Amino acid sequence: QKEVEQNSGPLSVPEGAIASLNCTYSDRVSQSFFWYRQYSGKSPELIMSIYSNGDKEDGRFTAQLNKASQYVSLLIRDSQPSDSATYLCAVNGGGSNYKLTFGKGTLLTVNP
Amino acid sequence: KAGVTQTPRYLIKTRGQQVTLSCSPISGHRSVSWYQQTPGQGLQFLFEYFSETQRNKGNFPGRFSGRQFSNSRSEMNVSTLELGDSALYLCASSGGSGAVNSPLHFGNGTRLTVT
Repeated sequence: QKEVEQNSGPLSVPEGAIASLNCTYSDRVSQSFFWYRQYSGKSPELIMSIYSNGDKEDGRFTAQLNKASQYVSLLIRDSQPSDSATYLCAVNGGGSNYKLTFGKGTLLTVNP
Repeated sequence: KAGVTQTPRYLIKTRGQQVTLSCSPISGHRSVSWYQQTPGQGLQFLFEYFSETQRNKGNFPGRFSGRQFSNSRSEMNVSTLELGDSALYLCASSGGSGAVNSPLHFGNGTRLTVT
């Protein structure tokens, strides 16, 4: 069973702080990794994608991938109350299984 | 570019009935995936279609089925509804061949309530 694990939270940070969200995956041949944000009552929206080891930055968001440790993380700098949402880690396996496996998500609350 | 469109947004059905949900992908996207989302299980993969062919299927009973049409629009059907089928059903499309590097773009979902 290929799994994606996330801390369920809730993770609470003050406004302006750095929020760190973590994810581990079990399938060693996984090739593509995504972070989605889901507001309550809404559908998931793509924030970041990362495919190779290292860091990838996009505005206030940085995704980090370590394939040897089977670990992917998302850092949110200068957190805003509008960042309060559930963050979903998704992993696409190797080969041609054509599906994303999602973690159950981490609920982030940014306090003003 | 219009996003993924799912209809209807809300459905209320009774046990034993069947239901059909519809999804129109982003223009040009040929891969369509379906997910079930519940508070306890999170997002669970149902199936994926590309050019009218099912390429992958999740661990759901045969009551859950789907299809894709030549214009890439997709439908999923759930027969003999059970209370546990109450969930948010999400459709997502992706570009290219829908392969490993293609992210999913989700629709707004269909909220199904089974009473």
